[in-house]
Amino acid sequence: GAVVSQHPSRVICKSGTSVKIECRSLDFQATTMFWYRQFPKKSLMLMATSNEGSKATYEQGVEKDKFLINHASLTLSTLTVTSAHPEDSSFYICSARGWGGDSPLHFGNGTRLTVT
Amino acid sequence: DAKTTQPPSMDCAEGRAANLPCNHSTISGNEYVYWYRQIHSQGPQYIIHGLKNNETNEMASLIITEDRKSSTLILPHATLRDTAVYYCIVRAYNFNKFYFGSGTKLNVKP
Repeated sequence: GAVVSQHPSRVICKSGTSVKIECRSLDFQATTMFWYRQFPKKSLMLMATSNEGSKATYEQGVEKDKFLINHASLTLSTLTVTSAHPEDSSFYICSARGWGGDSPLHFGNGTRLTVT
Repeated sequence: DAKTTQPPSMDCAEGRAANLPCNHSTISGNEYVYWYRQIHSQGPQYIIHGLKNNETNEMASLIITEDRKSSTLILPHATLRDTAVYYCIVRAYNFNKFYFGSGTKLNVKP
């Protein structure tokens, strides 16, 4: 159980275009979904937290207009990288948390974004 | 959330137990200890979590000291596929966010 599906796994786009990444919880309803970013050989950095039907909460230093998050349902969240630039190239990972105060996060397999 | 301290890397021989330590000396009473691992270029995988009692599942055992200031993740019979970065995270009950530290790179050697 507790499977999180993330698509696409890899995407290459040109500077100035936008890219959408989908995150779905397949076998549980996620009260909250999270988006992380990871640079090579570094740890995961929390970007934002989203709850179904409400606006995402962004961590300090993360541009909300650059990284648009939509949490349409209890099983789907999307991250759109708008007007992508080469410095946005990174590994983006979504995660979801089920019900229960101590419930763990479950992670998707990540999306490798390369902006050329 | 309490900060955690982990050694940057450890080696373990295949077939032997891997004992990964985590220090969380400022942990509060309602904070749980979670362990994840990340194999290269994949999303983190949940392993186990606990509050104060020792926990065991099919993947690992979690030993939390009585004062809760440190814990150890035990992989009883490490295999080459257990080579990964292991993260120890402390998070309060009902608090949403998980912040990752730098973790321990476990190298399992034949």
